[in-house]
Amino acid sequence: DQQVKQNSPSLSVQEGRISILNCDYTNSMFDYFLWYKKYPAEGPTFLISISSIKDKNEDGRFTVFLNKSAKHLSLHIVPSQPGDSAVYFCAASRGQKLVFGQGTRLTINP
Amino acid sequence: GAGVSQSPSNKVTEKGKDVELRCDPISGHTALYWYRQSLGQGLEFLIYFQGNSAPDKSGLPSDRFSAERTGGSVSTLTIQRTQQEDSAVYLCASRFTSPGTFGNEQFFGPGTRLTVL
Repeated sequence: DQQVKQNSPSLSVQEGRISILNCDYTNSMFDYFLWYKKYPAEGPTFLISISSIKDKNEDGRFTVFLNKSAKHLSLHIVPSQPGDSAVYFCAASRGQKLVFGQGTRLTINP
Repeated sequence: GAGVSQSPSNKVTEKGKDVELRCDPISGHTALYWYRQSLGQGLEFLIYFQGNSAPDKSGLPSDRFSAERTGGSVSTLTIQRTQQEDSAVYLCASRFTSPGTFGNEQFFGPGTRLTVL
């Protein structure tokens, strides 16, 4: 029973363009959502989060959108840079535990 | 300040042996989590410690897995009689919590890559 799903295992984007990573969830009780970025041989690094009472949160080049009716969130990165190449995980929580998606490998092409 | 540290970074063991993995959380963080990531998979929750409360062990896959957190700081994850399916990266995370805090930003260590031959 996968409560958080990232249906695209990989995404390739040209440098300077917008990267859009998607995530779907099934549990309507989740009240907080996060995106993490992971480089090889490193632990995940927190990127940006959003509370369920909001529909958008922005931090520099990164924006997270939440559509509660569709149980969908997305991460927009613009403009995309080579250093953004990594695996991105979305996560959802209610209470103390995080439930992670399977990850999307983002590759930024020069 | 120092982040979450884990040791060893890599561990290769033979099937049937016991292993201990260590996590040093960020100083002052009251919550500590263990996850594992199998090849090509997302992070799977294992266990959660919060202060002096009883740990939430709901994610431990079998009774071969156990964890302790001594003095509210360092934690060890022990896997007894390891099996090949235990091969994964084991990640530790910590978080500061206090009454009224909201959100769940956890800070992760680099992980321990466990290989069971």
